[in-house]
Amino acid sequence: NAGVTQTPKFRILKIGQSMTLQCTQDMNHNYMYWYRQDPGMGLKLIYYSVGAGITDKGEVPNGYNVSRSTTEDFPLRLELAAPSQTSVYFCASSYGEFGNEQFFGPGTRLTVL
Amino acid sequence: DQQVKQNSPSLSVQEGRISILNCDYTNSMFDYFLWYKKYPAEGPTFLISISSIKDKNEDGRFTVFLNKSAKHLSLHIVPSQPGDSAVYFCAAPYYNQGGKLIFGQGTELSVKP
Repeated sequence: NAGVTQTPKFRILKIGQSMTLQCTQDMNHNYMYWYRQDPGMGLKLIYYSVGAGITDKGEVPNGYNVSRSTTEDFPLRLELAAPSQTSVYFCASSYGEFGNEQFFGPGTRLTVL
Repeated sequence: DQQVKQNSPSLSVQEGRISILNCDYTNSMFDYFLWYKKYPAEGPTFLISISSIKDKNEDGRFTVFLNKSAKHLSLHIVPSQPGDSAVYFCAAPYYNQGGKLIFGQGTELSVKP
């Protein structure tokens, strides 16, 4: 099992550009999440999904979009990148909502200049 | 509003001694807590959890204590090893949003040989 994989590992964007962060899990988990971590802070939830075709906003969704067409994939789209989106992005998955650990990918470090 | 707080950004201990990492929470609805460990350039990995029906959970060198009346939990590592050097996050799931995790800010543990 590869677990949760994310691509790319690093990316530099110019202001106003767009990109998609990819996330795939091979554990057949229904729940998937996108978090961002800013320096010296804990992780904050951007979007989550409880199954294919179902997504919802987290704490900090502005400037992002997601889709969930399959159980395995949960891409995060950045439109019109801004310097405030410079962060490390983590994708996670879990079997269910209650009493289940979340498994995290290795992260994507994004810089917007 | 920081619902989960780790007030010590860093902790340094000698190899073989005990490491104690602290975490406070404000939301009395939280009934399950997790500790994650994070190495640089990697995603967080699950370490240990505790349900609010317990006041202690042990796994090898790691023990988590929960004091519900004080809304406080702590992670004890005995004996500490240099490989334990990492950032430790405590987290609680928020069930109204797909079980999203509310993270503390993290404590960076350094174990010196």
